[in-house]
Amino acid sequence: GQNIDQPTEMTATEGAIVQINCTYQTSGFNGLFWYQQHAGEAPTFLSYNVLDGLEEKGRFSSFLSRSKGYSYLLLKELQMKDSASYLCAVMDSNYQLIWGAGTKLIIKP
Amino acid sequence: ETGVTQTPRHLVMGMTNKKSLKCEQHLGHNAMYWYKQSAKKPLELMFVYNFKEQTENNSVPSRFSPECPNSSHLFLHLHTLQPEDSALYLCASSQEREGPDTQYFGPGTRLTVL
Repeated sequence: GQNIDQPTEMTATEGAIVQINCTYQTSGFNGLFWYQQHAGEAPTFLSYNVLDGLEEKGRFSSFLSRSKGYSYLLLKELQMKDSASYLCAVMDSNYQLIWGAGTKLIIKP
Repeated sequence: ETGVTQTPRHLVMGMTNKKSLKCEQHLGHNAMYWYKQSAKKPLELMFVYNFKEQTENNSVPSRFSPECPNSSHLFLHLHTLQPEDSALYLCASSQEREGPDTQYFGPGTRLTVL
């Protein structure tokens, strides 16, 4: 079957760095997406990786290793507004998104 | 308005009621999706429409009935729901169904079935 694993919850301190991991097993691979979802709001697109390596976008970076079925989202200089759930999703061979259950990130002052 | 909008944002209904959820996208996309999001569970894909044609129905009970009159609008008609159907219902759109296109989400409808 298809499976996406990510930690349920993480806590970090304002100004620090946090890494959210995601491992996957899917039928085919057409890229990996990260979304941010604040409570009661829409998931918003953060990043897309289809090739191995690191993609940097401001304070956020996303890494992919296809051979290991592994990705991480790196958040630097954490701000209180980064408190949210972070969703990892893999697009399979049918271009369907397979979702993880999300990681709730709590930022403490 | 821009992006993907959904109405209503909150809905409380009894098990015998009939209601409809509405989604509208202003992005010029061709594919639209309904997802169910329950607490601490992955998003569950319910239905997919591509150019107004339904391309996927992921074994969704018949008490959920989708409708897509054009590429910009998507409805989810609800009747005789069960309490376990209480969840956040999210609509999304993407440029194409077949392709690594980013899906853009609406804010969702928080549904409570009593």
